[in-house]
Amino acid sequence: GQQLNQSPQSMFIQEGEDVSMNCTSSSIFNTWLWYKQDPGEGPVLLIALYKAGELTSNGRLTAQFGITRKDSFLNISASIPSDVGIYFCAGHNAGNMLTFGGGTRLMVKP
Amino acid sequence: GAGVSQTPSNKVTEKGKYVELRCDPISGHTALYWYRQSLGQGPEFLIYFQGTGAADDSGLPNDRFFAVRPEGSVSTLKIQRTERGDSAVYLCASSLARDYEQYFGPGTRLTVT
Repeated sequence: GQQLNQSPQSMFIQEGEDVSMNCTSSSIFNTWLWYKQDPGEGPVLLIALYKAGELTSNGRLTAQFGITRKDSFLNISASIPSDVGIYFCAGHNAGNMLTFGGGTRLMVKP
Repeated sequence: GAGVSQTPSNKVTEKGKYVELRCDPISGHTALYWYRQSLGQGPEFLIYFQGTGAADDSGLPNDRFFAVRPEGSVSTLKIQRTERGDSAVYLCASSLARDYEQYFGPGTRLTVT
């Protein structure tokens, strides 16, 4: 089974709001990755983090690799409608496979 | 360039039947991975190929599942005697080599009735 706990499981956003989600693990990972998956598509890599404490940005996205190597967070600033989708964190150790979290579903407030 | 492609995009089959799912990786990528994604969950690892050989098949749930990659490019995931619990999206990913970034295909949605 999966070892990564991702929260929140789902959230509603209003355009322009900042969004934050995080991922925790019971074990250490050497690399943390954040993916976005749209309906009917495979996951697309957004940000990769390779060093404990690292803070990396990709446009409006910012992610951090926790100091303990057991957690990571992703922030989205000034959200836009196309940010809707499912965001997955994934942990990786060299020689092993990706371990995914359960996902955070981002939806637009009606 | 072309990304990872998977066929068919959707497959409906009856319980007990045999199915094959195909993955065409990005040209030149030596590593190929299969994952299974159940509804509302993240992908779960099934099997990893380095070249033609299965380097890690520890994620295959049982011996009804088998995968091949005979020429080190296209891979086929084979499921025998399908069960309703096999219904899921089967994702394929490839990477330049082990531990490099994995690029995912769109997946095959398998429904076992």
